[in-house]
Amino acid sequence: AQTVTQSQPEMSVQEAETVTLSCTYDTSESNYYLFWYKQPPSRQMILVIRQEAYKQQNATENRFSVNFQKAAKSFSLKISDSQLGDTAMYFCAFMKNGNTGKLIFGQGTTLQVKP
Amino acid sequence: DAGVTQSPTHLIKTRGQQVTLRCSPKSGHDTVSWYQQALGQGPQFIFQYYEEEERQRGNFPDRFSGHQFPNYSSELNVNALLLGDSALYLCASSAYSGDRVQNIQYFGAGTRLSVL
Repeated sequence: AQTVTQSQPEMSVQEAETVTLSCTYDTSESNYYLFWYKQPPSRQMILVIRQEAYKQQNATENRFSVNFQKAAKSFSLKISDSQLGDTAMYFCAFMKNGNTGKLIFGQGTTLQVKP
Repeated sequence: DAGVTQSPTHLIKTRGQQVTLRCSPKSGHDTVSWYQQALGQGPQFIFQYYEEEERQRGNFPDRFSGHQFPNYSSELNVNALLLGDSALYLCASSAYSGDRVQNIQYFGAGTRLSVL
C-alpha cells in the first residue's frame, strides 16, 4: 500500500521570502504521479503542481517548483517570493499510473505567510 | 466554464439519519471521485464512479454508497450516520482519455456535514 507523509504540521514565512515544504512517500510502483494541492480557508482544493515519476526534470509552475528525488522517495515543494495569498493548507498526494483516479494524500502542512 | 459544484454547502444531521450529497463534475469530465476529509487531516478516498458504475472503493463501510447519473453527476449517500461521519466531503472530477483516467482531478468546495 502507498503512504504519503508530511512531517511539518505548520510552517510560516515572511512575505517575499522562500519556503520549502517536505513530503516523503512509500510505494513499490515504478510509474506514478505526485501532486501538491493547496486548500485555502475557502476549502476548495486547488492543484499547484504535478510531477510524473518517469520524468527526471523537476516540474515548475511560476513561483512554485519541486525537488523530486525518486530514489529517496522525496517530493518537496518550494514557493519563491511568497505572497499573502499563499496562506493555506498544502497537501502532497500520490496517484498510481494506469487506470486509476485514486489520490492518496498526506496529512497536510499549514503555511502562514506573514506581512 | 463551470467547475465542480457540490450541494449543499453545509448540512446538520443527527445520529442514525441518512444523508445525500450531490456533485456536478466539471464540463467535459465523466469520472467522479468522492473523498472524506476530517478536520485537520488529508482527504481519504471513498469511491470513484465512471460510466454509472463504482470502479474503485476505499476502506469505507457499506453505509457509504453512491450513484452516477447519465449526465455524469453523482450522489454520495451515507446511512445510519455516526458522530464520526462528521467531516468535509469533497467531490473531484476527471476525464477518461483512452483507457486510463486523466491524472488531474479538479475538486469542488465540499459539503460540510455535522452529525449531532
